[in-house]
Amino acid sequence: RKEVEQDPGPFNVPEGATVAFNCTYSNSASQSFFWYRQDCRKEPKLLMSVYSSGNEDGRFTAQLNRASQYISLLIRDSKLSDSATYLCVVNFYTDKLIFGTGTRLQVFP
Amino acid sequence: NAGVTQTPKFQVLKTGQSMTLQCAQDMNHNSMYWYRQDPGMGLRLIYYSASEGTTDKGEVPNGYNVSRLNKREFSLRLESAAPSQTSVYFCASSSTGTGTQYFGPGTRLTVL
Repeated sequence: RKEVEQDPGPFNVPEGATVAFNCTYSNSASQSFFWYRQDCRKEPKLLMSVYSSGNEDGRFTAQLNRASQYISLLIRDSKLSDSATYLCVVNFYTDKLIFGTGTRLQVFP
Repeated sequence: NAGVTQTPKFQVLKTGQSMTLQCAQDMNHNSMYWYRQDPGMGLRLIYYSASEGTTDKGEVPNGYNVSRLNKREFSLRLESAAPSQTSVYFCASSSTGTGTQYFGPGTRLTVL
């Protein structure tokens, strides 16, 4: 079983739609959680951290369920510029990150 | 502010050739990393360095060596390239304990 699992997609949604991505992780001792964004043929960049109480950054909302070992990302009012691959990332111990394979999002006009 | 830089951007090698991928960061980070990214496999850690003078193996270290030359620079060497090492290689850096890594633009390597 992979340590971090994501639905690879692609998710094809129209502009203005709401879309949600899910991610599960296998190690219950995981400490920190993140969503990274990777544009085609570019490097990954941090989108947002994920906190136990849930957190929001503009149109993006991240949720964590430690009991189910489940992380989610919700994007509201999708823009064309949101088209990218979204990587679920887990930190098991200091400084080493485990990356999911990513979920591809394509927003169309 | 350059962040994390990598050279070269592209490289084509023949099987058995050697090369060194260079990485430098100007953010005064202690930790540096080398990853490879293959379709369907995601990012996999090759080696990392928690501080100047220390290096440790990651998930896929076979066929690679690294050098943490100083706090800024972390190089990855392929001694005898194989077609299985065709990949995109990313270098990253982070401050200790933050969990946020900053990536370079990547090196696209093809081994024929």
